[in-house]
Amino acid sequence: NAGVMQNPRHLVRRRGQEARLRCSPMKGHSHVYWYRQLPEEGLKFMVYLQKENIIDESGMPKERFSAEFPKEGPSILRIQQVVRGDSAAYFCASSARGQAGGDTQYFGPGTRLTVL
Amino acid sequence: GQQVMQIPQYQHVQEGEDFTTYCNSSTTLSNIQWYKQRPGGHPVFLIQLVKSGEVKKQKRLTFQFGEAKKNSSLHITATQTTDVGTYFCAGRMDSSYKLIFGSGTRLLVRP
Repeated sequence: NAGVMQNPRHLVRRRGQEARLRCSPMKGHSHVYWYRQLPEEGLKFMVYLQKENIIDESGMPKERFSAEFPKEGPSILRIQQVVRGDSAAYFCASSARGQAGGDTQYFGPGTRLTVL
Repeated sequence: GQQVMQIPQYQHVQEGEDFTTYCNSSTTLSNIQWYKQRPGGHPVFLIQLVKSGEVKKQKRLTFQFGEAKKNSSLHITATQTTDVGTYFCAGRMDSSYKLIFGSGTRLLVRP
């Protein structure tokens, strides 16, 4: 009974490179959420996706960041031309029902991105 | 904007002492969830509270949801070293999927 899977667990990039973070939701879940956590801080909502649809990207920076959740395969969070300020832990969560009240989000192990 | 404030930021206790963390929302919540994150780990779901005035217990952990559904607390009785970690509350507004996380309370337990 696999939980939410994320890879890679650790990612090091130089400034200007691209970072691709992958998330496979829990089996049976079709709702995916991405959060960013800076050291010693809480989690900040970035984007909410269902299969092939972005439902809410209000927490995601307008530039350099994009997310997708294709019909087949994992959800991808893509950061282009990374800067040092992008260094953080990126967590993916999934849920079964999304907007339905009382839905629980289950978190993956996270990807720790370090930008040199 | 919608905010969930959490205090204290840190709590350092002697093993066996009690611990409490508090959350306050600027707006009424439809429900609130609590998570625990160990150092270097990911948030692990603990519990969800939905009803006004609700109290739930999990062994040494007691969770409360305020009557006005704007505040919540987590109380740990007789802490153990395994309780070490950061405890986050996360509130959800009416009809929303979006979780607004508090800043967390980091618990350290001296053996």
